[in-house]
Amino acid sequence: KAGVTQTPRYLIKTRGQQVTLSCSPISGHRSVSWYQQTPGQGLQFLFEYFSETQRNKGNFPGRFSGRQFSNSRSEMNVSTLELGDSALYLCASSPRTSGGTGELFFGEGSRLTVL
Amino acid sequence: DQQVKQNSPSLSVQEGRISILNCDYTNSMFDYFLWYKKYPAEGPTFLISISSIKDKNEDGRFTVFLNKSAKHLSLHIVPSQPGDSAVYFCAASAAPGTYKYIFGTGTRLKVLA
Repeated sequence: KAGVTQTPRYLIKTRGQQVTLSCSPISGHRSVSWYQQTPGQGLQFLFEYFSETQRNKGNFPGRFSGRQFSNSRSEMNVSTLELGDSALYLCASSPRTSGGTGELFFGEGSRLTVL
Repeated sequence: DQQVKQNSPSLSVQEGRISILNCDYTNSMFDYFLWYKKYPAEGPTFLISISSIKDKNEDGRFTVFLNKSAKHLSLHIVPSQPGDSAVYFCAASAAPGTYKYIFGTGTRLKVLA
C-alpha cells in the first residue's frame, strides 16, 4: 500500500510569492491533516479536512489555506510568503474511525525555504 | 503557550539500557495521547498511544505510562537499540472526534553502541 505522498519535496521561494503544496493520502483514508514543523516549535497543527470539509483549523493567519478534493487529495496554499514561513510542511492521513482518535500516517514533507 | 511540553531536548543512553522520555501537558481535557518517532528526512511514524482511561500501554519494547493527576506521560524503551536513535514527539488530542493533535517540541534520543 503506497504511503502519503507529498509534492514538491523541496522548494525555494522569495518573500511575497505564494506557494501550493500537494498531498495524496493513503488509499482509503478520508481525513487529511497538515502540520508545520520549525526548529524549536515542534509540529504545529494547520488544518484538517474530511470529506472535502475543513473540520478544524489551527492558529495560523489567513494567508494559510487549504482544500480537499473528492478523491481525498489535498492542497495547501500560502500567500504573501514571509521569511518565517520557512519550514517543513507535513501532511498526514488517517482512516475514519468511530472515535476519531488514532494514529496519523505522515508523508515525508515539503521543505519550503523563503528567501 | 505550549500545552504539551518535552523539557529535555536531548537524551543519550547506552545500548541495552532503558530510555525514558518525558512529556508534560497542561490541559486536563486532553483524553488521548500518542508518541511518534522521526528520523531525518522522513515523516514522523506512529509508535504507541494511550487513552486517558488507562495508565499504561505496552507494545513490545515500548511502554507508555500516563499519570493524569500529574499531567505527565512517559515513554519507556527497553532495551534501547542504536536504531532507536531519532527524535521522539509526544502529542495530545486537542479536539475529540478529530485528528487535531498538539505536539511537543521533541526529544532527540541517541543510543550509544
